[in-house]
Amino acid sequence: EVQLVESGGGVVRPGESLRLSCAASGFRFDDFGMHWVRQAPGRSLEWVSGLSWNGRSTGYADSVKGRFTIARDNAKSLVYLQMNSLRVEDSALYYCTKAVGGLYSGSHNWGQGTLVTVSS
Amino acid sequence: EIVLTQSPATLSLSLGERVPLSCRASENIIRDSVAWYQQKPGQAPRLLIYDASSRATGIPDRFSGSGSGTDFTLIISRLEPEDFAVYYCQQYADSPFTFGPGTTVNIK
Repeated sequence: EVQLVESGGGVVRPGESLRLSCAASGFRFDDFGMHWVRQAPGRSLEWVSGLSWNGRSTGYADSVKGRFTIARDNAKSLVYLQMNSLRVEDSALYYCTKAVGGLYSGSHNWGQGTLVTVSS
Repeated sequence: EIVLTQSPATLSLSLGERVPLSCRASENIIRDSVAWYQQKPGQAPRLLIYDASSRATGIPDRFSGSGSGTDFTLIISRLEPEDFAVYYCQQYADSPFTFGPGTTVNIK
């Protein structure tokens, strides 16, 4: 069974940093792309970032480009999202997702999310 | 970036009805790179359809997807009680991969 467990969320002030982690299990991790998707309360889904199986191809939403960095450790089956210069509008539930295939594919499996709150 | 528009925003329907949900893109989506998700309150989204028309594992056959270019449709052939939810489309043809604003399907 595919399991994705996010961690690292919390309450921070504007301008601070957080690193989210996603521990994956139940599938061959280095066969799939991975994504981060966020959802603010009462809002639609927003794709944040994604990366290919080997981490060499990445993509970012315009709203986070230059501030967030996605990475993966295939030996440990972990995906990370380093979030710098956080803004109030980054507050959301952050989901880690396993792609259907490579980077350019939908999100087949979803974790339960980790909550990020940015507030002064 | 590709902007997705979903219509209508909200639908109020009865059990057993056929439901077409629309997703329109601001530009052509290559390789039919569109997915549909269902989300219920307090839950993570669930993938229903990928590549515009391929059903994800375990999804009932009353859900089907179609379309190409800029117009895509999710059809629920006969509404069941568990289908009342929010439905989102997503394109992954071009980064940044974008979601539509969602369509809420309510019980009439």
